[in-house]
Amino acid sequence: ELKVEQNPLFLSMQEGKNYTIYCNYSTTSDRLYWYRQDPGKSLESLFVLLSNGAVKQEGRLMASLDTKARLSTLHITAAVHDLSATYFCAVDMHKKLVFGQGTRLTINP
Amino acid sequence: DAGVTQSPTHLIKTRGQQVTLRCSPKSGHDTVSWYQQALGQGPQFIFQYYEEEERQRGNFPDRFSGHQFPNYSSELNVNALLLGDSALYLCASSLVSGRETQYFGPGTRLLVL
Repeated sequence: ELKVEQNPLFLSMQEGKNYTIYCNYSTTSDRLYWYRQDPGKSLESLFVLLSNGAVKQEGRLMASLDTKARLSTLHITAAVHDLSATYFCAVDMHKKLVFGQGTRLTINP
Repeated sequence: DAGVTQSPTHLIKTRGQQVTLRCSPKSGHDTVSWYQQALGQGPQFIFQYYEEEERQRGNFPDRFSGHQFPNYSSELNVNALLLGDSALYLCASSLVSGRETQYFGPGTRLLVL
C-alpha cells in the first residue's frame, strides 16, 4: 500500500525566510502533484511533476521530484504572509491520488 | 470555461439518513473521482468513475456508492449516515488519457448530527 509522508506537519516562519517541505512516498510513481488549501476552501493545483528531475517554479515556490529517492520538495523563498496555507503533496497511482497529511504553514510578519 | 462544480455547498443530516452529493466535471473531462477530507486530514480517495462505471475504489464501506451519467456528471450517495461521515467531500475531474493534474471542485461540507 502506498504511503505518503510529509514533514514537517506544522511550520511557522518569519517573512523573508526560506524553508523546504519534504514529501516522501513508498512506491514507485512518476507523477506527483502539489496542492494548496486555504482554510475552509478546496484544493488549488500548484505544480505537476511528471518525471525524474522535474523542477517547476512559480513565484516564490519551487517544486522538484526525485523518483529514485521517492522524494519531492517544495521550497519557499523569501516567504510572504500570503503564502500561509496548508500544502499537500499527492502521488498519482493510476489516476487515484494518495495524499500526504499536509503541512500547515504560517508566515508571521 | 466552467471548472468543477459541486452541490450543495453545505448539508446537515442526522444519523441513519441518506445523502446525495452532485458533481459536474470541468469541460472536456471524462473522469470523476470523489474524496473525503476529515478536519485536519488529507483527502482520502473514495472511488472513481469513467464511462459510467466505477473503475477504482478506496477503503470505504458499501454505504458509499456512486453513479456517473452520460454527460460525465456524477453523484455520491451515502446511506445510513454515521457521525464519522462528517467531512468535506471533494469531487475531482480529469482526462483518463491525460497527464495533467486533477482539478477539484469547491466541495460539499457534510455535518452529521
